Amino acid sequence: QKEVEQDPGPLSVPEGAIVSLNCTYSNSAFQYFMWYRQYSRKGPELLMYTYSSGNKEDGRFTAQVDKSSKYISLFIRDSQPSDSATYLCAMIVNRDDKIIFGKGTRLHILP
Amino acid sequence: ETGVTQSPTHLIKTRGQQVTLRCSSQSGHNTVSWYQQALGQGPQFIFQYYREEENGRGNFPPRFSGLQFPNYSSELNVNALELDDSALYLCASSSPIGQSFSTDTQYFGPGTRLTVL
Repeated sequence: QKEVEQDPGPLSVPEGAIVSLNCTYSNSAFQYFMWYRQYSRKGPELLMYTYSSGNKEDGRFTAQVDKSSKYISLFIRDSQPSDSATYLCAMIVNRDDKIIFGKGTRLHILP
Repeated sequence: ETGVTQSPTHLIKTRGQQVTLRCSSQSGHNTVSWYQQALGQGPQFIFQYYREEENGRGNFPPRFSGLQFPNYSSELNVNALELDDSALYLCASSSPIGQSFSTDTQYFGPGTRLTVL
């Protein structure tokens, strides 16, 4: 079993829809849970992170972590064509550890 | 755009050759990590350098080696290239160890696309 599982998609939704992206993981020691956005031919950009369980909101983005289920989610409200990218979930045990990434989900927002 | 730069942007090599990839860190960041991202996959950790010493290594063979310089820039060297080494190589610089985690903790560069024929 991989440490982090993520459906690669692609996921296509109409503009304005709510997008839900998810990952599961197996290592209960993970403490930091991150979401990166990666545009084509670019490096990953850290969108949001959550420490331990709970929710975090930043504008149109909401990150949720359920450590009891080992399940994390990213919700994008009022999706825009500019949100079209690959979204990578990622996790670390401690701040300076290596990052463990999911495969990434390719998201297409249709105008 | 982050302050992390990588060179070259693209590179084509043949099997058995050696390659050196370069990375310049974000200002104020003294830790550099290298990741390999194969097509359709998430990045995989190769190693991390802190104060010019290797500070953690992923599951990569010894033919992957690195250096960090006093100005915190870094090199990734790969010897005896194999076809499976074809990937996007990402460099990430991190703020000093011990600082609290934030969205400014780590920045990735745009990557070097390596093709091995």
